[in-house]
Amino acid sequence: KQEVTQIPAALSVPEGENLVLNCSFTDSAIYNLQWFRQDPGKGLTSLLLIQSSQREQTSGRLNASLDKSSGRSTLYIAASQPGDSATYLCAVSSSASKIIFGSGTRLSIRP
Amino acid sequence: EAGVTQSPTHLIKTRGQQATLRCSPISGHTSVYWYQQALGLGLQFLLWYDEGEERNRGNFPPRFSGRQFPNYSSELNVNALELEDSALYLCASSSRNQPQHFGDGTRLSIL
Repeated sequence: KQEVTQIPAALSVPEGENLVLNCSFTDSAIYNLQWFRQDPGKGLTSLLLIQSSQREQTSGRLNASLDKSSGRSTLYIAASQPGDSATYLCAVSSSASKIIFGSGTRLSIRP
Repeated sequence: EAGVTQSPTHLIKTRGQQATLRCSPISGHTSVYWYQQALGLGLQFLLWYDEGEERNRGNFPPRFSGRQFPNYSSELNVNALELEDSALYLCASSSRNQPQHFGDGTRLSIL
């Protein structure tokens, strides 16, 4: 059974710092891995999608890596801004239909 | 381009009643996914519809059901509502092998 874990549960850093969010999963037979952000009272916004054959994806200040053999993914945020404050969710697809979500990391960027 | 839209935004019901939640996918998307985010729990996969057919369902009782219409919009029906059904219900849509895009959700409150 696939389990997805995100550490830390909460993180607070000063504006401008680079930071890394971690996601681990127990079953390496994945279809893809996605990173989302969730803002209070809103739905999810897809940030990056990494297919199982890929090792990383980049979008602007965000970079996500995938290491299937070790069951890990990281989300790197460069030059953090207060607008980056949100909950970040990692989600693993073990098939084309089911997604297993981690419990999220609540990120707070201090001005 | 209009995003995924869900209605209503908030729905208040009492125990034993039935609730119907609606979702309109992004134009061109044929897949619709439903998720439940209960207080204190992570996102849990409910149902996946594609091309009008139910393709997969999560570990939820049969009183959670739905359908997808020819225009690819979808309904989620919850019968015999229980207090623990109180949650944010998120709908997502996608094209095959593409990232899921989420709506803002329907908050279902059971009194």
